Amino acid sequence: QQPVQSPQAVILREGEDAVINCSSSKALYSVHWYRQKHGEAPVFLMILLKGGEQKGHDKISASFNEKKQQSSLYLTASQLSYSGTYFCGTEPDGGATNKLIFGTGTLLAVQP
Amino acid sequence: DGGITQSPKYLFRKEGQNVTLSCEQNLNHDAMYWYRQDPGQGLRLIYYSQIVNDFQKGDIAEGYSVSREKKESFPLTVTSAQKNPTAFYLCASSIQGVSTEAFFGQGTRLTVV
Repeated sequence: QQPVQSPQAVILREGEDAVINCSSSKALYSVHWYRQKHGEAPVFLMILLKGGEQKGHDKISASFNEKKQQSSLYLTASQLSYSGTYFCGTEPDGGATNKLIFGTGTLLAVQP
Repeated sequence: DGGITQSPKYLFRKEGQNVTLSCEQNLNHDAMYWYRQDPGQGLRLIYYSQIVNDFQKGDIAEGYSVSREKKESFPLTVTSAQKNPTAFYLCASSIQGVSTEAFFGQGTRLTVV
């Protein structure tokens, strides 16, 4: 049930762009994105609901393709502060399951 | 300040002993969750609760137990039946279920020797 994220890890230089993908084998109602710095709690980035919407703030945005059960997180002009592990969290569709299942994580390292 | 508090931050136990991890929130959230984090495996759901006195098993509930006697508290007991209990445990809460932002505690690192 755990969604699969790709890539598992990525190294960037400041200013470069990155895309992190999240793929589920189940139909989804929503997708969440979180970032976790080493030794800290995950921090919320955004939620995308069923309907194929795209969201974003600042230089981080995301899309949700409910037909493909996939979501992508886009980081543009990366900054050192973007470093961390990114997790997608998925909520299955089809009723009030009220479960939030997280992916395997993508480690992002931004270098000067 | 509102937030979610896990204690202790580090916990050491001998093999075969039960241990209880604390999770308290003062955000007035209905939903609470427990996740286990291991390197390379992301966050795996252990138990979740939407209302007081009700909770459901997640994907890896075996060897764990929970209670939800108060809205603000959701303790997790790691029993001796859990074969590999050493891990980082995260508690989270959210308003009205999962289609809202989840707030996480700082986590408890449990080491069983």
